[in-house]
Amino acid sequence: EAGVAQSPRYKIIEKRQSVAFWCNPISGHATLYWYQQILGQGPKLLIQFQNNGVVDDSQLPKDRFSAERLKGVDSTLKIQPAKLEDSAVYLCASSTGTSGRPIQFFGPGTRLTVL
Amino acid sequence: AQRVTQPEKLLSVFKGAPVELKCNYSYSGSPELFWYVQYSRQRLQLLLRHISRESIKGFTADLNKGETSFHLKKPFAQEEDSAMYYCALPKTSYDKVIFGPGTSLSVIP
Repeated sequence: EAGVAQSPRYKIIEKRQSVAFWCNPISGHATLYWYQQILGQGPKLLIQFQNNGVVDDSQLPKDRFSAERLKGVDSTLKIQPAKLEDSAVYLCASSTGTSGRPIQFFGPGTRLTVL
Repeated sequence: AQRVTQPEKLLSVFKGAPVELKCNYSYSGSPELFWYVQYSRQRLQLLLRHISRESIKGFTADLNKGETSFHLKKPFAQEEDSAMYYCALPKTSYDKVIFGPGTSLSVIP
């Protein structure tokens, strides 16, 4: 089966610019996650969708970050305006969303560099 | 609060030597823990989960509730085991997962 797809793979922008990332989860996976992974740290959850509804965005910096999953499939994560500290790898993952601690499948990530 | 710690950022062992990657957690309830692995230039992927009690690529992990630990072990390290290893603790609601900071394992030939 096809895995989680993300684009772009790399992005370099200057601070105060805007950027958007795209994620296409595994077909049929109801739950979609966006993580931020800063160099030397583990992934940190930014937002979690169940179908097209948000179930957790407690660690999303809402003054500059936004995300949507309009039709319960693809998702976009946007940063506007970007700061230097946003330089990180942004990971998208999906899972079946059923109970019993389902396994998360990760995309390749988007490496963002903010200059 | 739920938390996962991995005390070693970097661990180097010789090929053929035993390896143990440490993971400790804090959780009020009955935890179910995972180990994820990221090989060079590959995606983060599940290595094993304690509930399945299986050995994957020679790795095993035992949940010790008394010590609140879930250490990953392998009796004989191989060069292909070199990777980043993350211990992960699923939260009770909505399948949210908390990741530890990771340990970089380097197996020296």
